[in-house]
Amino acid sequence: QSVLTQPPSVSAAPGQKVTISCSGSSSNIGSNYVSWYQQLPGTAPKLLISENHKRPSGIPDRFSGSKSGTSATLGIIGLQTGDEADYYCATWDSSLSAHVFGTGTKVTVL
Amino acid sequence: QLQLQESGPRLVKPSETLSLTCIVSGGSISGSTYYWAWIRQPPGKGLEWVGSVYHDGNTWYHPSVKSRVTMSVDTSKNHFSLNLSSVTAADTAVYYCGRHDTPGGMDVWGQGTTVTVSS
Repeated sequence: QSVLTQPPSVSAAPGQKVTISCSGSSSNIGSNYVSWYQQLPGTAPKLLISENHKRPSGIPDRFSGSKSGTSATLGIIGLQTGDEADYYCATWDSSLSAHVFGTGTKVTVL
Repeated sequence: QLQLQESGPRLVKPSETLSLTCIVSGGSISGSTYYWAWIRQPPGKGLEWVGSVYHDGNTWYHPSVKSRVTMSVDTSKNHFSLNLSSVTAADTAVYYCGRHDTPGGMDVWGQGTTVTVSS
């Protein structure tokens, strides 16, 4: 069982906005950086956001990340059909001494 | 541009040892400030970090596999390896190798290799 909880699914129409929450605790999100990954069907995950809110080169500014306390949020605006994928949050858990991933959220573009 | 490629047997028998290698090209493991990781994804499930190794050989493992896993780095061959002993069907997964920095963001991933544990 993951220590980071995400909603199983979110959906919206093309052009709209979705947010994905990632809930943790003081030993993980509360004290470490959060990363977000996009996994398109049948492919390896891709880093979308690092250090809570930083976008690697090549990631469009439609994707944004934030963190508050023991929760983090990924936002996607201007939703496109190509955004249909699974999204995972991740961080270091200081109690477990382990990287931990969230449960994953499937984004569906209606 | 740094690239990672997993290699190793696709089928492993129960109770035996799963061995995978990640070949690093387009960059050097030696002296790098990055960590080199293994992540797995069971069929239809989410991602699970298995462990990370630094170029000096220091390792960090997930508690759930710590007693069965060994990771190592070979800087002369520019690759790093995973050995997971006493495997069961629960170890069947796509295994990815990856690179991450201290804050944790895994910015480079291999394409993944499917390993099935079955007799």
